[in-house]
This record gives sequence, structure tokens and C-alpha cells, in this order.
Amino acid sequence: SQKIEQNSEALNIQEGKTATLTCNYTNYSPAYLQWYRQDPGRGPVFLLLIRENEKEKRKERLKVTFDTTLKQSLFHITASQPADSATYLCALEGGGNQFYFGTGTSLTVIP
Amino acid sequence: EPEVTQTPSHQVTQMGQEVILRCVPISNHLYFYWYRQILGQKVEFLVSFYNNEISEKSEIFDDQFSVERPDGSNFTLKIRSTKLEDSAMYFCASSPRETQYFGPGTRLLVL
Repeated sequence: SQKIEQNSEALNIQEGKTATLTCNYTNYSPAYLQWYRQDPGRGPVFLLLIRENEKEKRKERLKVTFDTTLKQSLFHITASQPADSATYLCALEGGGNQFYFGTGTSLTVIP
Repeated sequence: EPEVTQTPSHQVTQMGQEVILRCVPISNHLYFYWYRQILGQKVEFLVSFYNNEISEKSEIFDDQFSVERPDGSNFTLKIRSTKLEDSAMYFCASSPRETQYFGPGTRLLVL
């Protein structure tokens, strides 16, 4: 099985700055990796998917990178806003149709 | 926009009782999943379901658990003889292929 670590449990940044979240995994490299947002008491919401042969993916203010040599994905939110405050989860497919989630990083954007 | 729905939103049960959690996936999706999230912990994969059968299951998904797609639209998770440690939020998700769409969850409390 995969062990997934997401950097700090909590990250506080000033509005307008770029938030950078880290996801590290320990075993085999997955075919793809996903990032989700989770608000308290709610289900995760899909944000971005990046495949093993892609270095970078962008969607509006979001950017994801995937380094299979380092076994790491970075998730960036540029021009952060208080509405971006949430927990962000990375998820890896574990072969077959099984997925592993990280513990998440709680992001707070301070106005 | 289509959504995954789950019922009930909350369920309180006595230890040893059976519970059935219900999900209505998005109609044209092919893959279905159940996850659980114990309060303050990570989202944990339980089981995936494709083509009317289980495709993967985790170590958590033991004989106490079962899944069914009884009528082509609903997707259920049955927990037999519930234990205190089964208290958690249970999420259903559906997917056309890779991206998972999560429901709002059922909060299960076992007393």
C-alpha cells in the first residue's frame, strides 16, 4: 500500500500570496494523482488530476506539479483568497480501482 | 449539475445493530466507491464497485461490510453488527473513469 504525507497539517498565509502544499508518497509511482478540496463536514471536491507523464497542470489560479523521481506533487494556489480556506487532500490511485488519500493540509487565508 | 446523494444524513444506532447507508450515484457513471472518515482523520478507501461487482476492497472492508446495487440506481453499504469504532462519516463517490464525485456523506454514530 502507499504511504502519503502532506506537508504541514496547517498552513496560514496572507491574502494575495501563493500557497504551496506538498504531497509525498513512498512506494510505487501511481499512473495519476489527484487533488481535492474538503470543507468541514462535507465530502471532498475534485480539483485537478495530473498523470505520471505530465510535469505540470493548471486550472485558473491552481497549479499542480508531479515529480515521479522525487515522488512528490506540489499544489499551488496563486492570488489566494479567504474563500480558498479549506483542507486540501492529495489522492493516489493504488493500482486497480483503489485510492489512497493523504491526511490533508488545512489552509487558512488571512484577509 | 448532477450530484451524488446520500441518505440518511445522520444515523444513530446501538452497538450490534445493522445499518444500511444509501447512495444514488450520478446516472451515467460506471465506478462506485465507499469511503469512511473518522473524525479528524483521513479519508479511507473501503471498496470500489464496477460492472455490478466489487473490484477492490481494503483491509477495513471485512465480513462485517457488504455492498449492493439493488436496482441499477441505488448503491448501498450494509454494516452488520456495528461496533463503537464504526462511528465515522461515510462517503459514497461515483466516477465516469478517474475523477471521483463525492456525496455529502452519512454521519454514523454507534452508541
